[in-house]
Amino acid sequence: SQKIEQNSEALNIQEGKTATLTCNYTNYSPAYLQWYRQDPGRGPVFLLLIRENEKEKRKERLKVTFDTTLKQSLFHITASQPADSATYLCALVPSGGSYIPTFGRGTSLIVHP
Amino acid sequence: DSGVTQTPKHLITATGQRVTLRCSPRSGDLSVYWYQQSLDQGLQFLIQYYNGEERAKGNILERFSAQQFPDLHSELNLSSLELGDSALYFCASSVGPLSGGRTEAFFGQGTRLTVV
Repeated sequence: SQKIEQNSEALNIQEGKTATLTCNYTNYSPAYLQWYRQDPGRGPVFLLLIRENEKEKRKERLKVTFDTTLKQSLFHITASQPADSATYLCALVPSGGSYIPTFGRGTSLIVHP
Repeated sequence: DSGVTQTPKHLITATGQRVTLRCSPRSGDLSVYWYQQSLDQGLQFLIQYYNGEERAKGNILERFSAQQFPDLHSELNLSSLELGDSALYFCASSVGPLSGGRTEAFFGQGTRLTVV
């Protein structure tokens, strides 16, 4: 069956360090992979999208990699700040069909000052 | 502010009751998605509408239904409510379901439903 896996354990890092979050998937052929940020009690906010034929995407302090052979995406936040503390969700958008984003359960990031 | 408006923000109701959640998509967005988020299940896709027509169905119970109106706002109807239906319900919108480019979804702030 299709599965999207994100580390359920919170990631604790010190301010200024690089945070790296992982998204693994099985039995998917995604056209796109998206990363969202979600704060407690609020809706997810879109951050980045990477296509299946792209290896890497950057936006300010954010970097996403996408390895369709490993079926994995890595999400990096460089020079992390306490304000980056949130839950980060990856979502796969399948090729063909209705382009419905299917979400992982997210990883909580806590950046300590 | 994502531009997606959901009402009400909070809803407390008893088991067996029926409620309606409302969503106004971003201006210009034709596609509306409904998601349910609970602590044990994560964000689960329920149903999608595009320009007034149902386009895709996910794990939506038969007790739940939705529609999208000509002005593109959408309503999610939940009936015969059970304790397990307590969750955050999110509406999201996007430009369209067949967009080959920017397919990110913009989420509203959600409706927190508590069934007691």
